[in-house]
Amino acid sequence: GAGVSQSPSNKVTEKGKDVELRCDPISGHTALYWYRQSLGQGLEFLIYFQGNSAPDKSGLPSDRFSAERTGGSVSTLTIQRTQQEDSAVYLCASSLGTVSGANVLTFGAGSRLTVL
Amino acid sequence: QQQVKQSPQSLIVQKGGISIINCAYENTAFDYFPWYQQFPGKGPALLIAIRPDVSEKKEGRFTISFNKSAKQFSLHIMDSQPGDSATYFCAASIDERDSNYQLIWGAGTKLIIKP
Repeated sequence: GAGVSQSPSNKVTEKGKDVELRCDPISGHTALYWYRQSLGQGLEFLIYFQGNSAPDKSGLPSDRFSAERTGGSVSTLTIQRTQQEDSAVYLCASSLGTVSGANVLTFGAGSRLTVL
Repeated sequence: QQQVKQSPQSLIVQKGGISIINCAYENTAFDYFPWYQQFPGKGPALLIAIRPDVSEKKEGRFTISFNKSAKQFSLHIMDSQPGDSATYFCAASIDERDSNYQLIWGAGTKLIIKP
């Protein structure tokens, strides 16, 4: 696609429920990132996928968070047993990956998660 | 070592004025320094970037100044316009093959241009 597509754009859920957030990266982009942005705050790195390499999960805040990337394209971020502190905008970005100089990230518009 | 410190946290500038946002880093291996601009309800978008082989890069009203010895870089917005009101993030990374090109982000600056 022309840009990074995220869905849903808005998700309201009850505490304790599981949620799935989807990211469709730009076609041909081998690198995919998930970030979390709380209201008025900066970007918190969550997880990074690069090609067929093992993902860098070092930013996941707890074992309730997981992500997968199928076929090197679409990614799903899953939050189990959601808590109110999980409320934030979840941003996905993709880039051309390991080609030198191609570390320009293109972000999606984000998925706003509200946990009641 | 991996941090990028950004200041100020928020900035109000009159229309037509110069907006200046500063960032400092510790890791001398960083060699790629982008600035991203984020409007409300949107994801950040690359605005301008610089590598350490130059001290300044200008694109229209936006200029990055880079001071390698001080390990600092800054974004200058000349003739600031209300449409420039956004949150600006600086970042740094190591741009070499086989690195994971992980961007280390500043905390962001919320810029408001008053008409």
